[in-house]
Amino acid sequence: ETGVTQSPTHLIKTRGQQVTLRCSSQSGHNTVSWYQQALGQGPQFIFQYYREEENGRGNFPPRFSGLQFPNYSSELNVNALELDDSALYLCASSLEGTMSDTQYFGPGTRLTVL
Amino acid sequence: GDSVTQMEGPVTLSEEAFLTINCTYTATGYPSLFWYVQYPGEGLQLLLKATKADDKGSNKGFEATYRKETTSFHLEKGSVQVSDSAVYFCALSSRGNQGGKLIFGQGTELSVKP
Repeated sequence: ETGVTQSPTHLIKTRGQQVTLRCSSQSGHNTVSWYQQALGQGPQFIFQYYREEENGRGNFPPRFSGLQFPNYSSELNVNALELDDSALYLCASSLEGTMSDTQYFGPGTRLTVL
Repeated sequence: GDSVTQMEGPVTLSEEAFLTINCTYTATGYPSLFWYVQYPGEGLQLLLKATKADDKGSNKGFEATYRKETTSFHLEKGSVQVSDSAVYFCALSSRGNQGGKLIFGQGTELSVKP
């Protein structure tokens, strides 16, 4: 069974740039959620994708956007980067449509905005 | 809205000591409850979960019981090891109109000394 993978591991960008982060879900899972974890804080929900549609969104501005592909992999795009976007971005996969709501996390992408 | 509150860290213990990390929650409905662990520089690993009142989740010597009457899900371990040093996050699964997002506490750092 393949776990959740994310790429890249680390990324450095400058303010105003755009970034794309990628996630491959665990084998057999059809739902992907993205979280932002600032240093010393708990993860904050950004959004969730199910069957290629956004299935819920947290309190993040529209410059945070996402995609889910037919193979259930996903992308997180952030436009017009700000210094406060520096964080660990976590992807989690789960199997929607069952009684289980357990989410399994990838190792994360560490984004630094200068 | 739904929320999770954890005891503040850091918590420092000697090897073989008893561990309790307190977690209380506020939620509408009947959420599932989780404990995740994060080792330095890594993503989150599911430690244990409970899906209904009075359920006990357990894994690797850690236990937590879903207490609806006190809205709590305290994490316990009878004898900690140096390898248990990590940050522990309590979380609940909140559905409603924001998909199956996880709401996390702020995390409790545990340091176990030999």
